[in-house]
Amino acid sequence: GENVEQHPSTLSVQEGDSAVIKCTYSDSASNYFPWYKQELGKGPQLIIDIRSNVGEKKDQRIAVTLNKTAKHFSLHITETQPEDSAVYFCAAKERRDDMRFGAGTRLTVKP
Amino acid sequence: NAGVTQTPKFRILKIGQSMTLQCTQDMNHNYMYWYRQDPGMGLKLIYYSVGAGITDKGEVPNGYNVSRSTTEDFPLRLELAAPSQTSVYFCASSLGGFTEAFFGQGTRLTVV
Repeated sequence: GENVEQHPSTLSVQEGDSAVIKCTYSDSASNYFPWYKQELGKGPQLIIDIRSNVGEKKDQRIAVTLNKTAKHFSLHITETQPEDSAVYFCAAKERRDDMRFGAGTRLTVKP
Repeated sequence: NAGVTQTPKFRILKIGQSMTLQCTQDMNHNYMYWYRQDPGMGLKLIYYSVGAGITDKGEVPNGYNVSRSTTEDFPLRLELAAPSQTSVYFCASSLGGFTEAFFGQGTRLTVV
């Protein structure tokens, strides 16, 4: 089955700086790559996703890039704000309809 | 607009006891999922369902059972609770394919 690795496990940045989180996946059949944000005591919530026929997608301060050849994808957050502090999960979905998650990155944005 | 609702929010079980974690969604989603979240380990898929009457195993199904008699409900059953099942459990639903999965608030289960 699919194996998703995520780095780093923790990331601390100064407010206004950029944050980058990277994931790799093992199954070349995976073709959907969402990113979820989890705030304390809550369930994960989708923030952005990308499909395998697209190399990059942007939504305001958040962008995701995908390199299918290398089997890795990244989340970029620019102009970080304290409310961006949370745990971020990447995921990969293959044709069997189950979704596999990375281990998560705890992002702290210091004011 | 309830979305995905999980009950209970917290539960302490003794070793060997059984319980059912309830999950219901009001979005008419065919796809439903159960994940467990352990510290530093991300979300592991336990079971999923692509529609009423259809269920399939995920990565870590041992010790759990599910049923899907209706589109709305997807209960997770623990028959003989073990300390290794101490975790936070999340239920999710989606339209399937390449669509957003909506998560419940989670159930924190402790087995002592």
